[in-house]
Amino acid sequence: DAGVIQSPRHEVTEMGQEVTLRCKPISGHNSLFWYRQTMMRGLELLIYFNNNVPIDDSGMPEDRFSAKMPNASFSTLKIQPSEPRDSAVYFCASSPGGGRDRAYEQYFGPGTRLTVT
Amino acid sequence: AQTVTQSQPEMSVQEAETVTLSCTYDTSESDYYLFWYKQPPSRQMILVIRQEAYKQQNATENRFSVNFQKAAKSFSLKISDSQLGDAAMYFCAYRRISGTYKYIFGTGTRLKVLA
Repeated sequence: DAGVIQSPRHEVTEMGQEVTLRCKPISGHNSLFWYRQTMMRGLELLIYFNNNVPIDDSGMPEDRFSAKMPNASFSTLKIQPSEPRDSAVYFCASSPGGGRDRAYEQYFGPGTRLTVT
Repeated sequence: AQTVTQSQPEMSVQEAETVTLSCTYDTSESDYYLFWYKQPPSRQMILVIRQEAYKQQNATENRFSVNFQKAAKSFSLKISDSQLGDAAMYFCAYRRISGTYKYIFGTGTRLKVLA
């Protein structure tokens, strides 16, 4: 099993630029989560999807952030325009869901370190 | 609203010794899940151990075990025979059984292992 795959691993961009982070969940998992981790705020849930449908986006900080999940094997988190305060590590996680054993466990990707200058 | 508190920002342990990391939580639910995640310098979040609240038996995974005190809303992690590779940030997390899929994470405890 390949685990959750995120790309890029590192992203450095200038303020005002568009940034797109990508995630491929574990095959067969039907829930997907986007988190942001900073020293000041810790680990924050931004949005999560169930069966490709956004369920709760109350953690998305503002309209500059958007997330999509066009199919069960791919999701994107976009920031447009980016600002220095968006600098953080962004994690994607997936969960089996349904009635399967340990359906509630979340498996994290390696994260994307975003730096906005 | 549910909350998770880790009151120890940093802990140290000698190699081969035992250390206990504390976690308390607040919830009005009777059934839920609790987790410990490890985040080494590589920053990968790794699930260490899980506990279902309806199970009275404390979970164990090799050198890792928990002390789950439901009435006290306490969920501590014990690491036995500590190894240098155990050095990491450790996060406690809570999730309701039904409804939201959200995890509530604590602020983490940084564990240093001394050779």
